[in-house]
Amino acid sequence: DAGVTQSPTHLIKTRGQQVTLRCSPKSGHDTVSWYQQALGQGPQFIFQYYEEEERQRGNFPDRFSGHQFPNYSSELNVNALLLGDSALYLCASSLNGKEEQYFGPGTRLTVT
Amino acid sequence: SQQGEEDPQALSIQEGENATMNCSYKTSINNLQWYRQNSGRGLVHLILIRSNEREKHSGRLRVTLDTSKKSSSLLITASRAADTASYFCATEYNQGGKLIFGQGTELSVKP
Repeated sequence: DAGVTQSPTHLIKTRGQQVTLRCSPKSGHDTVSWYQQALGQGPQFIFQYYEEEERQRGNFPDRFSGHQFPNYSSELNVNALLLGDSALYLCASSLNGKEEQYFGPGTRLTVT
Repeated sequence: SQQGEEDPQALSIQEGENATMNCSYKTSINNLQWYRQNSGRGLVHLILIRSNEREKHSGRLRVTLDTSKKSSSLLITASRAADTASYFCATEYNQGGKLIFGQGTELSVKP
């Protein structure tokens, strides 16, 4: 039973570019949440998707957008990248209404 | 902004000793969870304690929750070098909703 997978593992982008990160949830899970973790900080909630809709959103600008597909996988898109977007991006999956979230290994994004 | 504060920010102990980490939060919660993170990679769920519970155990882990003080503690007994990691508490207001993390405690266990 595969856990949460994310791709790519590492990514280097230039300021102003756009990036797409991908997440496949744990088998049987239907809810995907995205978190940003800056170096030395705890993860911060970006948004959560359920039934292909954004259900909750954290305090992130509109440059951050997402999508959930019918197979429950999800993408995180960030436009007009800033240096401050450099971070580890974590995806977590869960079963709707259940408390425990399972995290993927993350994608480390570096913006130069 | 982050919900919780963790204390201490860093902790260094010898193998076999106990490690205690504390977490405080600001508002009422549905549950509080503890996670471990090795070398800036993915988070591993350790234990969850609900707002109506006061103490939970899982192997060498013991978690307490004091809702009147809005605080929690994680005790790792008989620590091992493999316990070296960052530990985060996370609070959840609504079941299945977003997690709000503290800044973490960096634990170093020396052999």
